Amino acid sequence: KNQVEQSPQSLIILEGKNCTLQCNYTVSPFSNLRWYKQDTGRGPVSLTIMTFSENTKSNGRYTATLDADTKQSSLHITASQLSDSASYICVVSPDSWGKLQFGAGTQVVVTP
Amino acid sequence: NAGVTQTPKFQVLKTGQSMTLQCAQDMNHEYMSWYRQDPGMGLRLIHYSVGAGITDQGEVPNGYNVSRSTTEDFPLRLLSAAPSQTSVYFCASSYGGRLGYDTQYFGPGTRLTVL
Repeated sequence: KNQVEQSPQSLIILEGKNCTLQCNYTVSPFSNLRWYKQDTGRGPVSLTIMTFSENTKSNGRYTATLDADTKQSSLHITASQLSDSASYICVVSPDSWGKLQFGAGTQVVVTP
Repeated sequence: NAGVTQTPKFQVLKTGQSMTLQCAQDMNHEYMSWYRQDPGMGLRLIHYSVGAGITDQGEVPNGYNVSRSTTEDFPLRLLSAAPSQTSVYFCASSYGGRLGYDTQYFGPGTRLTVL
């Protein structure tokens, strides 16, 4: 069973609107949580990295939140743009660097 | 800097053939890893290396070999290709690895089809 679950699986939003993606994890122990953006046909690109002591981290219009007690994270996209169309992947790192756990991703489509 | 490069971009193999996927980085990163990405699933770790001469298995290592003779290069070898190895393969690197806080940089991927 995947230890990192993302929802929704996909969503369509209008350009300029906001959206929030969810990530629930059961990975333990927990070192840090990452969000990646993956454009079609390309490798993932890191957006944010948060340790267990951080509640929020921003990268431009992307804001990630983390609740280590409930093992939940969210990624909020503000004022979406067409270039935000991509898959967004939640990744949880336990104490062993080689064992990152990847979620299946949320496919976001931004329409004009 | 070229970052992380992978070759080839596309490859078609017949069952039983062997081949090597190339990965190189020019950022002097110690940590390198190989993942496969299949539809509807998250990336899965195949093998990783924490430095030249040191490699270890990930989640799905069967059917794959790796070596790390230099800091820059981390090739992935398919010993006897099987249709189950049809996937997109990504190589990634990062500066360090012990604490796992470093940014990972991914290559563009190799799309492999095994007939």
